[in-house]
Amino acid sequence: KNQVEQSPQSLIILEGKNCTLQCNYTVSPFSNLRWYKQDTGRGPVSLTIMTFSENTKSNGRYTATLDADTKQSSLHITASQLSDSASYICVVSAGAGKSTFGDGTTLTVKP
Amino acid sequence: DVKVTQSSRYLVKRTGEKVFLECVQDMDHENMFWYRQDPGLGLRLIYFSYDVKMKEKGDIPEGYSVSREKKERFSLILESASTNQTSMYLCASSRTSGRVQGPGEQFFGPGTRLTVL
Repeated sequence: KNQVEQSPQSLIILEGKNCTLQCNYTVSPFSNLRWYKQDTGRGPVSLTIMTFSENTKSNGRYTATLDADTKQSSLHITASQLSDSASYICVVSAGAGKSTFGDGTTLTVKP
Repeated sequence: DVKVTQSSRYLVKRTGEKVFLECVQDMDHENMFWYRQDPGLGLRLIYFSYDVKMKEKGDIPEGYSVSREKKERFSLILESASTNQTSMYLCASSRTSGRVQGPGEQFFGPGTRLTVL
């Protein structure tokens, strides 16, 4: 069964600090992996997409990594801001087009 | 600016009522999806559609049906609402991408928070 597990479930950091969110998956065959950001009361918005051949992708202060051998991805947030407070969802898509969602990591950035 | 809109942000219904949730996208996307999101369970796929009048069951279709009569509109129907269908409902759409890129980015609506009393 395809699964996506994210850790930690929640995280609290101080403004300006860095943090890393983890995503482990068992989706097969692998097609792509996306990280979404979901602000409270809104729908998720895509941050990055990674395909099999990519191992790093940046979007401003967000950097995603992918290790296809170990089936792990991470999302690193640099110099966090209050507006980074949100839920971050890892989504892995299989070759047939089916997407499997992780439960998300809730990040709280405090001043 | 791409847009997915949902008919209501908040909805309160009574047990046994028929409930319609509407979703409209303006991006000419082929694919549309309905999810529900519950604390600790993440997003779960209810139904999806890859073309007009086509529909496929997702992971939790029981108690729901869908309709896609036009490309831009995808409706979720609760034939007889029950309290365990109280949830946040999210609609999404995506373009069918090429074989190399895999499934396209899903664009989500703002969600409808449904409460069934």
